[in-house]
Amino acid sequence: AQTVTQSQPEMSVQEAETVTLSCTYDTSESDYYLFWYKQPPSRQMILVIRQEAYKQQNATENRFSVNFQKAAKSFSLKISDSQLGDAAMYFCAYRLPHGSGNTGKLIFGQGTTLQVKP
Amino acid sequence: GAGVSQSPRYKVAKRGQDVALRCDPISGHVSLFWYQQALGQGPEFLTYFQNEAQLDKSGLPSDRFFAERPEGSVSTLKIQRTQQEDSAVYLCASSLGGGGYGYTFGSGTRLTVV
Repeated sequence: AQTVTQSQPEMSVQEAETVTLSCTYDTSESDYYLFWYKQPPSRQMILVIRQEAYKQQNATENRFSVNFQKAAKSFSLKISDSQLGDAAMYFCAYRLPHGSGNTGKLIFGQGTTLQVKP
Repeated sequence: GAGVSQSPRYKVAKRGQDVALRCDPISGHVSLFWYQQALGQGPEFLTYFQNEAQLDKSGLPSDRFFAERPEGSVSTLKIQRTQQEDSAVYLCASSLGGGGYGYTFGSGTRLTVV
């Protein structure tokens, strides 16, 4: 069974600094998607960044980038120039492509609470 | 609508009471998922609909949980004879289809069983 592990329950960063959130996963599949979601107190899950496993190039979205190490099954998120609005709970998630009996359901890690200090 | 709408936002139920949670997905979205999120934890999959067909209900924790989407749009998650361990946030997500399409989440319903 696929699992996702986030080993950092809480992280703290100074405003304008850089922080890296860790995520490891376990799967025997070769084709899958990885995601980082942000969940503020409003509870709505907001997609931060996604990575297709078949792509070697690391995904980037403005201040957010990932370090995808497929062989090590590692998928860390780097937030550069941290802003107060980045404070939230961050979840790493995995899913298989939809089809061939797969529903595309997301498997989430336990989450990391990010605090941004002014 | 512009987003996924869930109601009620908060629900307090007495133990043993039945509850119904509603999810109104984005119009035209084929796929609909329900997740359960315990306090301080990541969401866990409950069930999946493709249009009106419930294709996966492997995550439903017991036969007290029941979900439906009769016309392929609005979905209802029903919990019978609620118990304290049912207290959680229930999230709904929808997507245009499978493959690489992204999912849009609602803001969830926080259920507290007392």
